[in-house]
Amino acid sequence: DGGITQSPKYLFRKEGQNVTLSCEQNLNHDAMYWYRQDPGQGLRLIYYSQIVNDFQKGDIAEGYSVSREKKESFPLTVTSAQKNPTAFYLCASSMGQADGYTFGSGTRLTVV
Amino acid sequence: AQSVTQLDSHVSVSEGTPVLLRCNYSSSYSPSLFWYVQHPNKGLQLLLKYTSAATLVKGINGFEAEFKKSETSFHLTKPSAHMSDAAEYFCVVSDWDSGAGSYQLTFGKGTKLSVIP
Repeated sequence: DGGITQSPKYLFRKEGQNVTLSCEQNLNHDAMYWYRQDPGQGLRLIYYSQIVNDFQKGDIAEGYSVSREKKESFPLTVTSAQKNPTAFYLCASSMGQADGYTFGSGTRLTVV
Repeated sequence: AQSVTQLDSHVSVSEGTPVLLRCNYSSSYSPSLFWYVQHPNKGLQLLLKYTSAATLVKGINGFEAEFKKSETSFHLTKPSAHMSDAAEYFCVVSDWDSGAGSYQLTFGKGTKLSVIP
């Protein structure tokens, strides 16, 4: 079955470390997205990519970085510059406006 | 610029009674509208979508929503709540962002639905 796979499901990070969250899709979708979810704040867009080798900052890109070397993959790195990284991170993909987005099952990142 | 307002952060209903989750939006163009459901520690699942066809949209699990342009609303309803409906629900608008040069999603802040046995 086609879908989006996020890994790991849970991730613990020490202060000052960079960590990378994986997102892979086999839906042949062109666009991919990373969202951060905090309680009571809904979803906030971190980065998005419409095509391979191109990506744009979302509303809260500071402290994060991404790459899009393959259509199927859109990893997110949470750098040490992100001051409050503890959150639930969701990856999504889409073929177009009318289709809606398909979401992965999320990665919960905790700073210890 | 587009925006989405979910009018209730928390709704509580008894099992077997109707569900109404309210959503208002603003948009400059012709938006697509979606409702997603999220169970704890899970991703978001698409319930239904409006894309300028029929204004009454039927989705999965007995949910439906009506697009009312004059009221800029897209409320989600279900005739009879089930315990498994307890989750968080997000209203989402997708519209053209001229500044970004692409379609962008805007999420409401979510409505947590509790179902009382």
